[in-house]
Amino acid sequence: AQSVTQPDIHITVSEGASLELRCNYSYGATPYLFWYVQSPGQGLQLLLKYFSGDTLVQGIKGFEAEFKRSQSSFNLRKPSVHWSDAAEYFCAVGVGNTPLVFGKGTRLSVIA
Amino acid sequence: GAGVSQTPSNKVTEKGKYVELRCDPISGHTALYWYRQSLGQGPEFLIYFQGTGAADDSGLPNDRFFAVRPEGSVSTLKIQRTERGDSAVYLCASSPLSWGGMFDEQFFGPGTRLTVL
Repeated sequence: AQSVTQPDIHITVSEGASLELRCNYSYGATPYLFWYVQSPGQGLQLLLKYFSGDTLVQGIKGFEAEFKRSQSSFNLRKPSVHWSDAAEYFCAVGVGNTPLVFGKGTRLSVIA
Repeated sequence: GAGVSQTPSNKVTEKGKYVELRCDPISGHTALYWYRQSLGQGPEFLIYFQGTGAADDSGLPNDRFFAVRPEGSVSTLKIQRTERGDSAVYLCASSPLSWGGMFDEQFFGPGTRLTVL
C-alpha cells in the first residue's frame, strides 16, 4: 500500500541551528512531493513541491528539500532556524491523479 | 476575501445530530477539496470537486458523509447522525486547476473544529 512516513513526531532545535525533517514514501512510481507547514490556528501553507527535474527544490521562508529516489526520501532542510519556524510540518505525496496522502507530521519547537 | 474561509470555526454537537460545515474557496478556483484531520494525524482526503461535480469522493468514510457544491463555488460538507469518532478538524482547500490537475498548489482554509459529545 502507498504510504508516507515522517519518522520524527517532535523535534526541538535551537534558534540559528540547522534543521532537517525527514520524509520517506512507499510508492510504485515516482510521485509528486510536497511539504506543507501548519501554524496554530492557520491553514496549511505550501513550502515547496517537486514534480520533476532538479532534485534540489527551493521553497519559501528559506526552506529547501532534496528528492532522493534511491532512498525514497524527500527531506526538508533549513540552514538557520528562526523562532517563527515553530509549527507542524507535513510531507505529502501523490501519484497520477489520485488524492494527496499526507504524513502524520513533525512538530518543530525552537528554543532560544 | 483573499483566502479560503470556513464556517463555523468551531462546532460542538451531540451524538446523532446533523451538522453542516461551509467552505468559501478563493474566487475563481475551480477545484475544491475537503480533508479531515484527527488529533496527531495529517490531513486525510475526503472528496474533491471540479466545478460543481464531485470528481473523486473515494475518501468519504461512509454514507453519513455528503458534500455539495451546487454553483461551483461555495461547498457544504454534511454529516448525518454524527458519532464521537467524527470529532476532528475539517479542512477545505481550493486550487485554480490549471495544468497540474490535482497537484496544483492547494490553498487551505483554517478549518472547522467539530466536537461530537
